[in-house]
Amino acid sequence: DTAVSQTPKYLVTQMGNDKSIKCEQNLGHDTMYWYKQDSKKFLKIMFSYNNKELIINETVPNRFSPKSPDKAHLNLHINSLELGDSAVYFCASSQYMKTNEKLFFGSGTQLSVL
Amino acid sequence: AQKVTQAQTEISVVEKEDVTLDCVYETRDTTYYLFWYKQPPSGELVFLIRRNSFDEQNEISGRYSWNFQKSTSSFNFTITASQVVDSAVYFCALSDLGGYQKVTFGIGTKLQVIP
Repeated sequence: DTAVSQTPKYLVTQMGNDKSIKCEQNLGHDTMYWYKQDSKKFLKIMFSYNNKELIINETVPNRFSPKSPDKAHLNLHINSLELGDSAVYFCASSQYMKTNEKLFFGSGTQLSVL
Repeated sequence: AQKVTQAQTEISVVEKEDVTLDCVYETRDTTYYLFWYKQPPSGELVFLIRRNSFDEQNEISGRYSWNFQKSTSSFNFTITASQVVDSAVYFCALSDLGGYQKVTFGIGTKLQVIP
């Protein structure tokens, strides 16, 4: 039973389209995150939510809108996709929002914008 | 500001060799946590170890060992008798109080173990 699951695994779309990536965790964690991994493997946090409340928003364009309907889900909606959005997006969770918490990652969504 | 430097972008070793992955960090906080994560070819990042800034004891877990030295702000990772299954990208990461659980990752070191 997958702890952090995200769908789809691959997403290929045209520039200008709107797309969503879904994430669910069954670990009972309070905190969820979205990370972006670029083509050079650099991982950077985009957002974090704690009990459905937005905590971190790392200067991400407002075309990216996270939504957390409950603390087990954190979806990412992207409007007007651009070529530079092509990357692997990882959902993650941690039990609490504390400095020492280890992260549990989903398997990633590879987004290709053509 | 937080910063994590992994100077080795790619390393290749022959199976059974030992290999050390370097990690140097910067933080203004006295309380912080360091992590290593493994990203195998399948893509999912997996937690390996967590170390807090007050615990400088080295740790060994099977073939894996970690050397934390505050004096040089380093948290190096050694794999002994490497195996092909160790081939992956390894990320060092830092989380401090000022970062509010914003974990900063290094650029990663790609390790290839050749049979």
